[in-house]
Amino acid sequence: GAVVSQHPSWVICKSGTSVKIECRSLDFQATTMFWYRQFPKQSLMLMATSNEGSKATYEQGVEKDKFLINHASLTLSTLTVTSAHPEDSSFYICSARDPLLETGNTIYFGEGSWLTVV
Amino acid sequence: AQSVAQPEDQVNVAEGNPLTVKCTYSVSGNPYLFWYVQYPNRGLQFLLKYITGDNLVKGSYGFEAEFNKSQTSFHLKKPSALVSDSALYFCAVRDGGAGNMLTFGGGTRLMVKP
Repeated sequence: GAVVSQHPSWVICKSGTSVKIECRSLDFQATTMFWYRQFPKQSLMLMATSNEGSKATYEQGVEKDKFLINHASLTLSTLTVTSAHPEDSSFYICSARDPLLETGNTIYFGEGSWLTVV
Repeated sequence: AQSVAQPEDQVNVAEGNPLTVKCTYSVSGNPYLFWYVQYPNRGLQFLLKYITGDNLVKGSYGFEAEFNKSQTSFHLKKPSALVSDSALYFCAVRDGGAGNMLTFGGGTRLMVKP
């Protein structure tokens, strides 16, 4: 079964509005989660590393004021796309790993969230 | 810096034939290698990984991959392809001594024809 849950799976929003995507680790605590973005027919690009209780670490070229990441608890990280524009339309995927599992080196992904900005 | 290369954008194979999806990597420390599969409009599903131990690792859905240190490769294989294996496959690597960040290859689309 899924170990990382992402919500919503699909979201459509109007230009200029903000939208929040949630990523939850199920049955384990994730001090670190990762947010990726995937454009159609392309690979995944790491956007940021979400650290529980501290500021996220953003990759070069990713606007931290536009893509707000909050990791308020050990099981939840949120990505908020602020003042969304059509070019923000994409597939967003989060990931996490359970460091306590015997297979703790496996990183699991959420189901992803399709964002369409109209 | 770590990197992954998947030299083939698409691999076509007939159902029942063996398949190989290629992956080479570059990492400064010990490589932790992963294969994920992505079905249309879905997230990524974990297939298998190499951390240490036997170079041949077996994973989900009958897939396996062989770690070759000298060639820095981690090719994905399956002895007999199924039409349902058609999907997008991603190879990923992370440096075992440097945190959790995964670097992905560009992906390879596998098309299995009946």
